[in-house]
Amino acid sequence: EAGVTQFPSHSVIEKGQTVTLRCDPISGHDNLYWYRRVMGKEIKFLLHFVKESKQDESGMPNNRFLAERTGGTYSTLKVQPAELEDSGVYFCASSQAEAAGIELFFGSGTQLSVL
Amino acid sequence: GQNIDQPTEMTATEGAIVQINCTYQTSGFNGLFWYQQHAGEAPTFLSYNVLDGLEEKGRFSSFLSRSKGYSYLLLKELQMKDSASYLCAVSPFNTDKLIFGTGTRLQVFP
Repeated sequence: EAGVTQFPSHSVIEKGQTVTLRCDPISGHDNLYWYRRVMGKEIKFLLHFVKESKQDESGMPNNRFLAERTGGTYSTLKVQPAELEDSGVYFCASSQAEAAGIELFFGSGTQLSVL
Repeated sequence: GQNIDQPTEMTATEGAIVQINCTYQTSGFNGLFWYQQHAGEAPTFLSYNVLDGLEEKGRFSSFLSRSKGYSYLLLKELQMKDSASYLCAVSPFNTDKLIFGTGTRLQVFP
């Protein structure tokens, strides 16, 4: 069974540019989460989808971040325009419907560097 | 809110036992989790405690005391491959999100 996959693994962009991160959850997992780790800090929650609906987006830093999950399968996280403080590792995770908030399966993350 | 504290780094010897502590201040949570993360890889689920007490899973055990705001992860018969970061996290009431500590980087030496 394929795990959670994220693309790209690394992205280097200039301040003001746009970047789109993609996450493919484990097939059949209704729950999809985005987390972020800024260097030296803890992993922080960004938002949670249940199928295509945003269940909780309390962790989204500001309106420069837009997450979508059309069709309830893969998800994208777009940062527009990117700022220096957006640099970090963006993790995606998924879980089965009945295991929401319990066992999360994480992807390896996208390392975003904004210069 | 939740404040989760863990030691930043620990070292141990192959074959030994190590205990990684986690203290937290939170108004309430569904459960306490431990994840393992090797450098550059995805965090992987290790354990989940809801009730007070010890949960054992092979060489790894996790303990929770809600009254003391305290948990620990116990790793026995350490192997070199156990060198990784260990993340303590709680899931607040009425949410499905995790609040993580900064993690403890464990280095196992031969």
